[in-house]
Amino acid sequence: DTEVTQTPKHLVMGMTNKKSLKCEQHMGHRAMYWYKQKAKKPPELMFVYSYEKLSINESVPSRFSPECPNSSLLNLHLHALQPEDSALYLCASSQDFLKGRRILIEQYFGPGTRLTVT
Amino acid sequence: QQQVKQSPQSLIVQKGGISIINCAYENTAFDYFPWYQQFPGKGPALLIAIRPDVSEKKEGRFTISFNKSAKQFSLHIMDSQPGDSATYFCAASTYGGATNKLIFGTGTLLAVQP
Repeated sequence: DTEVTQTPKHLVMGMTNKKSLKCEQHMGHRAMYWYKQKAKKPPELMFVYSYEKLSINESVPSRFSPECPNSSLLNLHLHALQPEDSALYLCASSQDFLKGRRILIEQYFGPGTRLTVT
Repeated sequence: QQQVKQSPQSLIVQKGGISIINCAYENTAFDYFPWYQQFPGKGPALLIAIRPDVSEKKEGRFTISFNKSAKQFSLHIMDSQPGDSATYFCAASTYGGATNKLIFGTGTLLAVQP
């Protein structure tokens, strides 16, 4: 089973709202990722968590705040977003990301959350 | 040097035909090359991946051909079906390197006509 689930499927929020995106996997993967994807473009990496610790932040604005409560869950907290932040937000996970020796195993993506900022 | 160039941008193939999508890279440190298939409104699905120790990998109707000296790799879809109509992304990364960033190509929109 290579399932990554994401909720909600769709989200509409105003620029002053605070909302959260959730991602869950039960494959025992220890690396989890947030990507942003605009229409007709490839996914852009935002954050990587390895063993529940933030490993990579691709210079993402602070209005996006990731959180990894445990090895199965990944959240993305949203605050004061701009209309240009409207996109498909994808979560992914991979099997291993060993401390001290980083190994990329195949990344599996969730279905995404379609975010619209009004 | 971190780019992966993908072509064509769009492709129309008749049912039963062969779809071919090409990618090229510059960074010789890349040693992991996956292909993803994405349907509208869905997340990318891992289709097939290759390491440079082999020149070809086949899974069902999908084949990756890899040319290390030319720094190119391609996806061949044999007996293309309307259900294969989707956007395809190639990607590259360093399998055992210090980063686990996938560098994606720009995508190819495939339409298989019945």
